[in-house]
Amino acid sequence: GDSVTQTEGQVALSEEDFLTIHCNYSASGYPALFWYVQYPGEGPQFLFRASRDKEKGSSRGFEATYDKGTTSFHLRKASVQESDSAVYYCALGDPSNNRIFFGDGTQLVVKP
Amino acid sequence: GGIITQTPKFLIGQEGQKLTLKCQQNFNHDTMYWYRQDSGKGLRLIYYSITENDLQKGDLSEGYDASREKKSSFSLTVTSAQKNEMAVFLCASSIPGQDYAEQFFGPGTRLTVL
Repeated sequence: GDSVTQTEGQVALSEEDFLTIHCNYSASGYPALFWYVQYPGEGPQFLFRASRDKEKGSSRGFEATYDKGTTSFHLRKASVQESDSAVYYCALGDPSNNRIFFGDGTQLVVKP
Repeated sequence: GGIITQTPKFLIGQEGQKLTLKCQQNFNHDTMYWYRQDSGKGLRLIYYSITENDLQKGDLSEGYDASREKKSSFSLTVTSAQKNEMAVFLCASSIPGQDYAEQFFGPGTRLTVL
């Protein structure tokens, strides 16, 4: 079945550090890939999506490139800020049934 | 724009109690979802509804019932609360008819069972 694996449970960085959160997926078809961000006390918010191989999604300085060959959609940001501290979810959209499958999430902590 | 409202924000129940959570959206979206969020385990789908009066089971439907009374509302019932259970229940909706549509989430209902 469809699934998403996020390698890091927690990432701790200092401001202006480079961020990478790894995401790999498993799907039988050709899924859409998403990143969501969740701040304390709120529901997850859509960050961006990509729906075909080599497509880059981006928003708020975050970006990820759909790689069908390595089944990956890693999140990157060149210079993180304290306000980026949140939980980040990689997700896979199955177009056949309106479902989205979420990874376990990665807690990002950015120290000033 | 629109908003998803979930009530109550906090819910405290007793073991064995039947508990109902409510969700309202004014996006005019056809599809609505209920997820359970446990610490460190991401979001797991309980039920979803493609349109009014439709119900589809997710991966975690055992122990829950759902009801889509009208397009704008979607309720979830915990049929028998489990002692020491703690989780956040998230409601979401998505744009109708789009294969790769993102989901919009409410702020959640935090459940504690004593």
